[in-house]
Amino acid sequence: DTEVTQTPKHLVMGMTNKKSLKCEQHMGHRAMYWYKQKAKKPPELMFVYSYEKLSINESVPSRFSPECPNSSLLNLHLHALQPEDSALYLCASSQENIINRGDYGYTFGSGTRLTVV
Amino acid sequence: RKEVEQDPGPFNVPEGATVAFNCTYSNSASQSFFWYRQDCRKEPKLLMSVYSSGNEDGRFTAQLNRASQYISLLIRDSKLSDSATYLCVVNIGNYGQNFVFGPGTRLSVLP
Repeated sequence: DTEVTQTPKHLVMGMTNKKSLKCEQHMGHRAMYWYKQKAKKPPELMFVYSYEKLSINESVPSRFSPECPNSSLLNLHLHALQPEDSALYLCASSQENIINRGDYGYTFGSGTRLTVV
Repeated sequence: RKEVEQDPGPFNVPEGATVAFNCTYSNSASQSFFWYRQDCRKEPKLLMSVYSSGNEDGRFTAQLNRASQYISLLIRDSKLSDSATYLCVVNIGNYGQNFVFGPGTRLSVLP
């Protein structure tokens, strides 16, 4: 199994809604990531989980709340979002090397296209 | 200066052409380098890792010059299916993974 699975693929939510994005991988990867991508822009890092612990939070607003229940799952809880939060949300995973030996890229999920109305 | 910079593009080339993309990075401690391909409204997919010795995969050749902090991707005999955005990705972390994406270069291969 060499996939990262994200659900849902599309989500439309109101500014007062609470929703969650889900991500799952069974490749034994110990690092998982949330990225946000706006049209015609590269992905922007939001959060990094390493060995199920949050290791990087790129100053993301608190209306985005990540959760890593176990080594295979990563959630992103959404609450009180703004229309400018509409974007493609990408989950990725990778092997985690404490001694960096390079070579290991990310595997991305197909993303959740989020529209906030 | 941005951490990872790429040719602004877009590149419009005829089928069969050879095209080269360039990428520069600012963090001299960077350890890992990759080229990703992203089709419209799809997720990025790893095209190839980039090694100091250079590496080739079919029509694709990647080169790394650590002294100049420069990475390149060469595509020979372009196909229509090569049309995509090509993202240069650099791992700037000393421990673990901290990938930084370049802005991407859009390639359109024309019939």
